[in-house]
Amino acid sequence: DAGVTQSPTHLIKTRGQQVTLRCSPKSGHDTVSWYQQALGQGPQFIFQYYEEEERQRGNFPDRFSGHQFPNYSSELNVNALLLGDSALYLCASSYAGSYNEQFFGPGTRLTVL
Amino acid sequence: KQEVTQIPAALSVPEGENLVLNCSFTDSAIYNLQWFRQDPGKGLTSLLLIQSSQREQTSGRLNASLDKSSGRSTLYIAASQPGDSATYLCAVRDSWGKLQFGAGTQVVVTP
Repeated sequence: DAGVTQSPTHLIKTRGQQVTLRCSPKSGHDTVSWYQQALGQGPQFIFQYYEEEERQRGNFPDRFSGHQFPNYSSELNVNALLLGDSALYLCASSYAGSYNEQFFGPGTRLTVL
Repeated sequence: KQEVTQIPAALSVPEGENLVLNCSFTDSAIYNLQWFRQDPGKGLTSLLLIQSSQREQTSGRLNASLDKSSGRSTLYIAASQPGDSATYLCAVRDSWGKLQFGAGTQVVVTP
């Protein structure tokens, strides 16, 4: 059983560009959450998707948007990239019907130059 | 607003010593608390999950306690090994599944 997978592993972009990150949840999971982790800090919640809708959102600007597909996979889009968007982006999956643990993917390291 | 604090920020111990990592949170209305391990530049590995109704959870050399009323959790790692060197993060979960993380404790176990 594959766990949570994310692509790409690393990404380098320049300021002003747009980026799309992808996540496939663990088998049997229907909820996907995205987190941003800056160097030396804990992950910060961006948003959560369930049934193809954004269910909860953290304190991030509208430049951050997402999508969930019928197969529960998800994308995170960031427009008009800023230097401060450089971070490790983590995807987590869980099953909405329980309060069980969330499983994280390996992350995508985004560098904005 | 929920705030999660982890003390100490960094810890260095000789191999064989027991590790004690602390986590505190300001809002006791949590659904569960999860402890994670993170190796440099990598994703998060779940270590233990404690439901809000539980006081303790154990897995091998790891033991985590939860005192919801005082807003505290402690992760104990017995007989530390160099392979335990990593950053340990605690996170509390709200009713929607959002995790609020602490900044982590960076642990170094020296041979």
